[in-house]
Amino acid sequence: SAVISQKPSRDICQRGTSLTIQCQVDSQVTMMFWYRQQPGQSLTLIATANQGSEATYESGFVIDKFPISRPNLTFSTLTVSNMSPEDSSIYLCSVVAGVDEQFFGPGTRLTVL
Amino acid sequence: AQSVTQLDSHVSVSEGTPVLLRCNYSSSYSPSLFWYVQHPNKGLQLLLKYTSAATLVKGINGFEAEFKKSETSFHLTKPSAHMSDAAEYFCVVSSFNFNKFYFGSGTKLNVKP
Repeated sequence: SAVISQKPSRDICQRGTSLTIQCQVDSQVTMMFWYRQQPGQSLTLIATANQGSEATYESGFVIDKFPISRPNLTFSTLTVSNMSPEDSSIYLCSVVAGVDEQFFGPGTRLTVL
Repeated sequence: AQSVTQLDSHVSVSEGTPVLLRCNYSSSYSPSLFWYVQHPNKGLQLLLKYTSAATLVKGINGFEAEFKKSETSFHLTKPSAHMSDAAEYFCVVSSFNFNKFYFGSGTKLNVKP
Protein backbone atom coordinates (compact mmCIF):
# COMPACT_ATOMS: atom_id res chain seq x y z
CA SER A 1 0.00 0.00 0.00
CA ALA A 2 0.97 3.65 -0.06
CA VAL A 3 0.24 6.50 2.32
CA ILE A 4 -0.07 9.89 0.69
CA SER A 5 -0.11 13.31 2.30
CA GLN A 6 -1.02 16.58 0.68
CA LYS A 7 -0.35 20.15 1.70
CA PRO A 8 -2.25 22.34 2.16
CA SER A 9 -5.44 20.50 3.04
CA ARG A 10 -7.46 23.56 2.08
CA ASP A 11 -6.94 27.15 1.07
CA ILE A 12 -8.88 30.23 0.11
CA CYS A 13 -7.17 32.29 -2.54
CA GLN A 14 -7.73 35.50 -4.41
CA ARG A 15 -8.37 35.63 -8.12
CA GLY A 16 -5.19 36.03 -10.19
CA THR A 17 -2.87 34.41 -7.65
CA SER A 18 -1.22 30.98 -7.78
CA LEU A 19 -1.19 28.08 -5.33
CA THR A 20 1.27 25.19 -5.18
CA ILE A 21 0.03 21.89 -3.78
CA GLN A 22 2.48 19.32 -2.49
CA CYS A 23 2.09 15.54 -2.59
CA GLN A 24 4.33 13.27 -0.53
CA VAL A 25 4.27 9.46 -0.69
CA ASP A 26 5.74 7.14 1.93
CA SER A 27 7.36 4.87 -0.67
CA GLN A 28 8.92 5.15 -4.11
CA VAL A 29 6.34 4.90 -6.87
CA THR A 30 6.60 5.14 -10.61
CA MET A 31 3.17 6.43 -11.48
CA MET A 32 1.79 9.55 -9.88
CA PHE A 33 -1.28 11.44 -11.04
CA TRP A 34 -3.09 14.69 -10.37
CA TYR A 35 -6.88 14.85 -10.49
CA ARG A 36 -9.44 17.59 -10.13
CA GLN A 37 -12.86 17.06 -8.57
CA GLN A 38 -15.16 20.00 -9.15
CA PRO A 39 -18.09 20.47 -6.77
CA GLY A 40 -20.56 17.62 -7.11
CA GLN A 41 -18.59 16.05 -9.96
CA SER A 42 -16.48 12.98 -10.58
CA LEU A 43 -12.71 12.98 -10.81
CA THR A 44 -11.01 14.31 -13.93
CA LEU A 45 -7.39 13.45 -14.64
CA ILE A 46 -5.26 16.56 -15.07
CA ALA A 47 -1.89 14.97 -15.81
CA THR A 48 0.53 12.19 -15.10
CA ALA A 49 3.57 13.43 -13.19
CA ASN A 50 6.69 11.88 -14.71
CA GLN A 51 9.92 11.71 -12.77
CA GLY A 52 12.76 13.32 -14.69
CA SER A 53 10.64 14.58 -17.57
CA GLU A 54 7.72 16.84 -18.35
CA ALA A 55 4.28 15.86 -17.13
CA THR A 56 1.80 14.33 -19.57
CA TYR A 57 -1.34 16.48 -19.70
CA GLU A 58 -4.85 15.37 -20.57
CA SER A 59 -6.96 17.15 -23.12
CA GLY A 60 -8.15 20.47 -21.76
CA PHE A 61 -5.26 20.95 -19.37
CA VAL A 62 -2.07 22.86 -20.19
CA ILE A 63 1.30 23.27 -18.57
CA ASP A 64 1.05 27.05 -18.31
CA LYS A 65 -2.05 26.76 -16.15
CA PHE A 66 -1.09 23.64 -14.18
CA PRO A 67 2.70 23.31 -14.01
CA ILE A 68 3.80 20.09 -12.35
CA SER A 69 7.13 19.09 -10.87
CA ARG A 70 8.30 15.57 -9.98
CA PRO A 71 11.84 15.79 -8.65
CA ASN A 72 11.94 12.24 -7.30
CA LEU A 73 9.86 9.07 -6.87
CA THR A 74 8.15 10.17 -3.65
CA PHE A 75 7.21 13.81 -4.24
CA SER A 76 5.34 16.01 -6.69
CA THR A 77 3.84 19.48 -6.81
CA LEU A 78 0.93 20.89 -8.78
CA THR A 79 0.59 24.65 -9.21
CA VAL A 80 -2.72 26.21 -10.09
CA SER A 81 -1.77 29.45 -11.83
CA ASN A 82 -3.61 32.70 -12.34
CA MET A 83 -6.61 31.34 -10.50
CA SER A 84 -10.23 32.16 -11.19
CA PRO A 85 -13.37 31.08 -9.30
CA GLU A 86 -13.79 28.26 -11.86
CA ASP A 87 -10.66 26.66 -10.40
CA SER A 88 -12.42 26.09 -7.09
CA SER A 89 -12.20 22.33 -6.70
CA ILE A 90 -10.65 19.52 -4.75
CA TYR A 91 -7.24 18.58 -6.16
CA LEU A 92 -6.13 15.01 -5.51
CA CYS A 93 -2.82 13.30 -5.89
CA SER A 94 -2.77 9.56 -6.52
CA VAL A 95 -0.19 6.85 -7.06
CA VAL A 96 -0.15 3.31 -8.33
CA ALA A 97 1.47 0.96 -5.85
CA GLY A 98 1.85 -2.77 -6.17
CA VAL A 99 0.71 -4.12 -9.52
CA ASP A 100 -2.52 -2.31 -10.13
CA GLU A 101 -3.86 -0.52 -7.12
CA GLN A 102 -4.38 3.21 -7.06
CA PHE A 103 -4.14 5.10 -3.78
CA PHE A 104 -5.34 8.63 -3.23
CA GLY A 105 -4.24 11.47 -1.06
CA PRO A 106 -6.78 13.25 1.16
CA GLY A 107 -7.13 16.10 -1.33
CA THR A 108 -6.64 19.86 -1.26
CA ARG A 109 -9.85 21.85 -1.15
CA LEU A 110 -9.32 25.11 -3.03
CA THR A 111 -11.71 28.05 -2.99
CA VAL A 112 -10.99 31.00 -5.26
CA LEU A 113 -12.74 34.28 -4.49
CA ALA B 1 -10.60 3.49 -25.54
CA GLN B 2 -11.81 2.64 -22.08
CA SER B 3 -14.81 4.17 -20.33
CA VAL B 4 -17.34 3.44 -17.63
CA THR B 5 -20.96 4.47 -17.33
CA GLN B 6 -22.67 4.58 -13.98
CA LEU B 7 -26.32 4.26 -14.77
CA ASP B 8 -27.74 5.99 -11.70
CA SER B 9 -26.61 9.32 -10.33
CA HIS B 10 -28.60 8.81 -7.11
CA VAL B 11 -29.82 5.67 -5.37
CA SER B 12 -31.93 5.70 -2.23
CA VAL B 13 -32.55 2.60 -0.10
CA SER B 14 -33.87 1.88 3.36
CA GLU B 15 -31.55 0.59 6.04
CA GLY B 16 -31.44 -3.20 5.98
CA THR B 17 -32.50 -3.53 2.33
CA PRO B 18 -30.23 -4.58 -0.56
CA VAL B 19 -28.03 -2.14 -2.44
CA LEU B 20 -27.41 -2.27 -6.20
CA LEU B 21 -25.17 0.29 -7.89
CA ARG B 22 -24.85 -0.24 -11.62
CA CYS B 23 -21.75 0.15 -13.77
CA ASN B 24 -21.19 -0.71 -17.42
CA TYR B 25 -17.78 -0.53 -19.04
CA SER B 26 -16.32 -0.28 -22.47
CA SER B 27 -12.88 -1.66 -23.16
CA SER B 28 -10.95 -2.98 -26.12
CA TYR B 29 -9.29 -5.65 -23.98
CA SER B 30 -10.03 -7.59 -20.82
CA PRO B 31 -10.28 -4.78 -18.29
CA SER B 32 -9.36 -4.26 -14.68
CA LEU B 33 -12.24 -2.69 -12.80
CA PHE B 34 -12.50 -1.03 -9.42
CA TRP B 35 -15.09 0.43 -7.08
CA TYR B 36 -14.12 3.33 -4.82
CA VAL B 37 -16.16 4.98 -2.07
CA GLN B 38 -15.95 8.61 -1.02
CA HIS B 39 -17.63 9.63 2.21
CA PRO B 40 -18.48 13.32 2.66
CA ASN B 41 -15.32 15.36 3.18
CA LYS B 42 -13.20 12.20 3.18
CA GLY B 43 -10.68 10.69 0.80
CA LEU B 44 -11.30 7.92 -1.71
CA GLN B 45 -11.15 4.36 -0.45
CA LEU B 46 -10.87 1.23 -2.54
CA LEU B 47 -13.83 -1.10 -1.97
CA LEU B 48 -12.85 -3.90 -4.32
CA LYS B 49 -11.17 -4.70 -7.60
CA TYR B 50 -11.44 -7.19 -10.46
CA THR B 51 -8.25 -8.08 -12.28
CA SER B 52 -9.12 -11.19 -14.33
CA ALA B 53 -9.29 -13.67 -11.48
CA ALA B 54 -12.62 -14.77 -9.96
CA THR B 55 -15.58 -12.97 -11.52
CA LEU B 56 -17.33 -12.51 -8.17
CA VAL B 57 -15.23 -10.14 -6.12
CA LYS B 58 -15.69 -9.55 -2.43
CA GLY B 59 -14.68 -6.25 -0.92
CA ILE B 60 -14.70 -4.44 2.36
CA ASN B 61 -17.80 -3.67 4.46
CA GLY B 62 -19.83 -6.51 2.94
CA PHE B 63 -19.79 -5.21 -0.64
CA GLU B 64 -19.47 -7.49 -3.67
CA ALA B 65 -19.29 -7.00 -7.41
CA GLU B 66 -19.67 -9.43 -10.27
CA PHE B 67 -17.81 -9.07 -13.53
CA LYS B 68 -20.07 -10.09 -16.43
CA LYS B 69 -18.24 -9.96 -19.72
CA SER B 70 -21.32 -10.79 -21.80
CA GLU B 71 -23.14 -7.80 -20.33
CA THR B 72 -20.03 -5.58 -19.97
CA SER B 73 -21.14 -4.89 -16.43
CA PHE B 74 -19.55 -4.67 -13.00
CA HIS B 75 -22.44 -3.90 -10.65
CA LEU B 76 -21.82 -3.33 -6.94
CA THR B 77 -24.10 -5.01 -4.42
CA LYS B 78 -24.59 -5.37 -0.71
CA PRO B 79 -27.27 -7.58 0.89
CA SER B 80 -28.20 -5.17 3.66
CA ALA B 81 -27.55 -1.43 3.70
CA HIS B 82 -26.24 0.33 6.75
CA MET B 83 -26.54 4.01 7.51
CA SER B 84 -22.75 4.30 7.31
CA ASP B 85 -22.89 3.22 3.65
CA ALA B 86 -24.28 6.62 2.66
CA ALA B 87 -21.56 8.02 0.39
CA GLU B 88 -20.62 8.49 -3.23
CA TYR B 89 -19.41 5.47 -5.18
CA PHE B 90 -17.21 5.52 -8.25
CA CYS B 91 -16.68 2.76 -10.79
CA VAL B 92 -13.25 2.88 -12.42
CA VAL B 93 -11.62 1.07 -15.34
CA SER B 94 -7.89 1.06 -15.91
CA SER B 95 -5.88 1.18 -19.09
CA PHE B 96 -4.04 -1.92 -20.22
CA ASN B 97 -0.81 -1.10 -18.40
CA PHE B 98 -2.41 0.73 -15.46
CA ASN B 99 -1.02 4.07 -16.49
CA LYS B 100 -4.48 5.64 -16.63
CA PHE B 101 -7.68 5.18 -14.70
CA TYR B 102 -11.06 6.28 -16.04
CA PHE B 103 -13.72 7.31 -13.54
CA GLY B 104 -17.45 6.99 -13.89
CA SER B 105 -19.65 9.94 -13.03
CA GLY B 106 -20.42 8.59 -9.57
CA THR B 107 -23.52 7.35 -7.76
CA LYS B 108 -24.67 8.99 -4.54
CA LEU B 109 -26.13 6.41 -2.19
CA ASN B 110 -28.65 7.62 0.36
CA VAL B 111 -29.69 5.27 3.17
CA LYS B 112 -32.96 6.03 4.93
CA PRO B 113 -33.61 4.93 8.50
